[in-house]
Amino acid sequence: EDQVTQSPEALRLQEGESSSLNCSYTVSGLRGLFWYRQDPGKGPEFLFTLYSAGEEKEKERLKATLTKKESFLHITAPKPEDSATYLCAGFSGSARQLTFGSGTQLTVLP
Amino acid sequence: NAGVTQTPKFQVLKTGQSMTLQCAQDMNHNSMYWYRQDPGMGLRLIYYSASEGTTDKGEVPNGYNVSRLNKREFSLRLESAAPSQTSVYFCASSEGGTDTQYFGPGTRLTVL
Repeated sequence: EDQVTQSPEALRLQEGESSSLNCSYTVSGLRGLFWYRQDPGKGPEFLFTLYSAGEEKEKERLKATLTKKESFLHITAPKPEDSATYLCAGFSGSARQLTFGSGTQLTVLP
Repeated sequence: NAGVTQTPKFQVLKTGQSMTLQCAQDMNHNSMYWYRQDPGMGLRLIYYSASEGTTDKGEVPNGYNVSRLNKREFSLRLESAAPSQTSVYFCASSEGGTDTQYFGPGTRLTVL
C-alpha cells in the first residue's frame, strides 16, 4: 500500500528562521513527487514536481529536494506570508493515483 | 482563465438527502478528479476520470457516484448523505494522468 508521511505536523518559525519540512514516501513505481501549498479555506496550489532522486527545484524562498525515500522542502528566511499548510504527494505508476500526506502546518511569526 | 471552479461553496444536508457537487475546468484538461479532505487524513481520492467518457474508483468511492458530462465538467453525487460524508470536497484536473493536478476552491459539506 502506498504511503506518504509528513513531519512535523506543525511548525512555528520566527521570521527569517530557516527550516525544512520532511516527506517520507513508500510509493510503488513513483512517477513524480508533488509539493502543494494550501491556505485556509482554499484549494491546494501547485508548487513543485520532482521526478528523480537528486533533483532539486527552487521558487523564491522554497527549495524542494528528492531522495529515493524522502523529499524535503527547505524554507530559507521565511516571511509571515509563507504561513500555510504544505502538502506532499506521490504519484504511483502502478496505482496511477496520487497519494497525499496529511500536511505540515507552517506558521511564521513576525 | 478561471481554472477549476466548484459549486456550491458550502452546503448543509440532513441525513438521507441527496445532492450533486459540480466541477468545471477551462484548461482543456483530459483528466479530472474528486477528493475529500478530512482533518489529519490528507486528501483521499474518491473517483477520477482519465478522459471523457471514462470513470474509475479511487480509494474511498462508497456512497458516491460521478458523471463526466463532457470534457469540461465532472460532477459528484451523494445519493443518500450520511454524517460520515461531512468533509471538504475538492475537484482537480490535469492534462494527463501523470501530470500536475490543479485544484478548485472546494465545497464544504456538512451532513447533520
